[in-house]
Amino acid sequence: GIQVEQSPPDLILQEGANSTLRCNFSDSVNNLQWFHQNPWGQLINLFYIPSGTKQNGRLSATTVATERYSLLYISSSQTTDSGVYFCAAASGGSYIPTFGRGTSLIVHP
Amino acid sequence: NAGVMQNPRHLVRRRGQEARLRCSPMKGHSHVYWYRQLPEEGLKFMVYLQKENIIDESGMPKERFSAEFPKEGPSILRIQQVVRGDSAAYFCASSLDIQETQYFGPGTRLLVL
Repeated sequence: GIQVEQSPPDLILQEGANSTLRCNFSDSVNNLQWFHQNPWGQLINLFYIPSGTKQNGRLSATTVATERYSLLYISSSQTTDSGVYFCAAASGGSYIPTFGRGTSLIVHP
Repeated sequence: NAGVMQNPRHLVRRRGQEARLRCSPMKGHSHVYWYRQLPEEGLKFMVYLQKENIIDESGMPKERFSAEFPKEGPSILRIQQVVRGDSAAYFCASSLDIQETQYFGPGTRLLVL
């Protein structure tokens, strides 16, 4: 099955800083999503982005399907951005996503 | 429009007991997925169901685990004779169709003593 790798595994930021999270995947994808798991464990959909670029407020994501990676940009980070960010991708005839191990983000005030 | 509902949110069982986890999908969604998350790991797919049918159970252990999604009522993930290694967060997700975005419930945290 598809392999999904995320980097960095951990990230510590000062409030107001910008960051880029990366997701590499081993096969062409038909489905790619970014999620935020907050400190209470809730999983929140951020983007459904098998290709192209999307923006939602301070967050944006770009997937370059031909080069098998996706990037999540967080600008002007806030303490509420803390948590774990997961990338999940599916390939071939399956739409069942495989999750990466996540990037754990801590934003200090 | 209510989101995906899961209950209970926390469940404590002793080894050998049964655990029943419930998931009500978003209104209008007939595709349900169960995932397991071990501490500090990503989610691992277990089973995909569409009303009354198991479509893909490739991620679910062959023994002690079962899932159903009846015509009426929530989807149920059932773990028989629980062991300590079953302790994890179990998430349910639903979607309108297989290619559509999956929306996740709040999870059930199972602790086996």
